[in-house]
Amino acid sequence: AQRVTQPEKLLSVFKGAPVELKCNYSYSGSPELFWYVQYSRQRLQLLLRHISRESIKGFTADLNKGETSFHLKKPFAQEEDSAMYYCALNPNTDKLIFGTGTRLQVFP
Amino acid sequence: NAGVTQTPKFRILKIGQSMTLQCTQDMNHNYMYWYRQDPGMGLKLIYYSVGAGITDKGEVPNGYNVSRSTTEDFPLRLELAAPSQTSVYFCASRLEFSNEQFFGPGTRLTVL
Repeated sequence: AQRVTQPEKLLSVFKGAPVELKCNYSYSGSPELFWYVQYSRQRLQLLLRHISRESIKGFTADLNKGETSFHLKKPFAQEEDSAMYYCALNPNTDKLIFGTGTRLQVFP
Repeated sequence: NAGVTQTPKFRILKIGQSMTLQCTQDMNHNYMYWYRQDPGMGLKLIYYSVGAGITDKGEVPNGYNVSRSTTEDFPLRLELAAPSQTSVYFCASRLEFSNEQFFGPGTRLTVL
């Protein structure tokens, strides 16, 4: 079955600490993966996608097909990074499959 | 462009009442989606549409109906509200050849 797993509901770090939000997927084909972010009182928005291989707001994510993972990383967390993060998979259909989300809290 | 807009922002319903959640996008996107967001459950797809006149069920369609008479509008109908439908509802849209979905601000619905 196609599935996205985000094992951590909550991740708390201090400002300046490294951050890694985990995402594992289950899909037998070539996946397209995304990270969406929802800041407090704002709408969900795309943060980055694996095909673009870019860094957005200091975040990067590398697709590891061997480990079926797409973890989101940032070397130095900022308070404004506090938000809900969703990993999503497009299994070559018209739909996205979202994970359950990880809330990142960055303390000063 | 306003992007994806949703009305109302908040609503409280009594069990058994009906209502329509409105969703409009002004980006000429073919694809539109309705999700519900429950704490700890992520986003679950209710219904989606690939163009005017075409709709299809998502993961959790029971208790809901949709229509797509125009490219811009994709209303979600709750016929007999139940407490299990208490949730935050998000509408989203995208272009046909892009998988980036653009989301509305959400509607917070409480059924008592």
